[in-house]
Amino acid sequence: QQPVQSPQAVILREGEDAVINCSSSKALYSVHWYRQKHGEAPVFLMILLKGGEQKGHEKISASFNEKKQQSSLYLTASQLSYSGTYFCGTAQNTGNQFYFGTGTSLTVIP
Amino acid sequence: KAGVTQTPRYLIKTRGQQVTLSCSPISGHRSVSWYQQTPGQGLQFLFEYFSETQRNKGNFPGRFSGRQFSNSRSEMNVSTLELGDSALYLCASSLPTDTQYFGPGTRLTVL
Repeated sequence: QQPVQSPQAVILREGEDAVINCSSSKALYSVHWYRQKHGEAPVFLMILLKGGEQKGHEKISASFNEKKQQSSLYLTASQLSYSGTYFCGTAQNTGNQFYFGTGTSLTVIP
Repeated sequence: KAGVTQTPRYLIKTRGQQVTLSCSPISGHRSVSWYQQTPGQGLQFLFEYFSETQRNKGNFPGRFSGRQFSNSRSEMNVSTLELGDSALYLCASSLPTDTQYFGPGTRLTVL
C-alpha cells in the first residue's frame, strides 16, 4: 500500500521545471506532499483532498486525480532552495494509516 | 505555537539494551505517529496513537512498542536492540486532516 513515486531522482538547473508523480494501488482520500532536506525532518508542503483539486504555493503546485489514484507535484522555475527529497503521503480515509512514498531526490544546480 | 519536540536528539546504545524515546505533539493535536527512517528503507510507519489508544500499527516486531498519555505526549520503546535498529526515529503529530507535522527526530545508533 506504499505509494510509488517517480522519478527516483532528478537533477535540474536553476530555472528549469520538474514534475514528481505519486501513484497508489488503493483509492485515496488525501495526498500530502513533503520536502526533506538532508539532516532535517520532513516539512509539509500541501494537502490535496478527494475531489480532484489542484493547489499551489508560489511556484510549487500539485494535482490529484482520484480516479487514477495519482498525484503530481509541479515545481516551476526551480531554485537552489528546492533541493531535497520529496515524499508524498497518502491516506485512504481520515484516521486511517498514513503511508509515505518511496521518495524523489531533487537536486537543483546553478 | 510550539512545534513537535522529541527527546533525546541523539542516543548511542549497545545491542541487547532497551531505549525509550519521547515526543511532545503540537498543542491541540491528539494524534501522534512514529516513523523509522533509514537510507535504504525510507520512511517506515511504526504506529499511531490517538487519544491514548493505538489506532494503527505498521509491520514491525513486538520489540517496538509505544504509548500515549492523557496530555497526548507519546513514548516509544524498543527492547533488545539490534544493529539494524540504528535509524532516525521521527514523531509526527496531526489534526484530523492527517497532515503530519514532524519533530526533529531522535538519531539512534546501536553498537
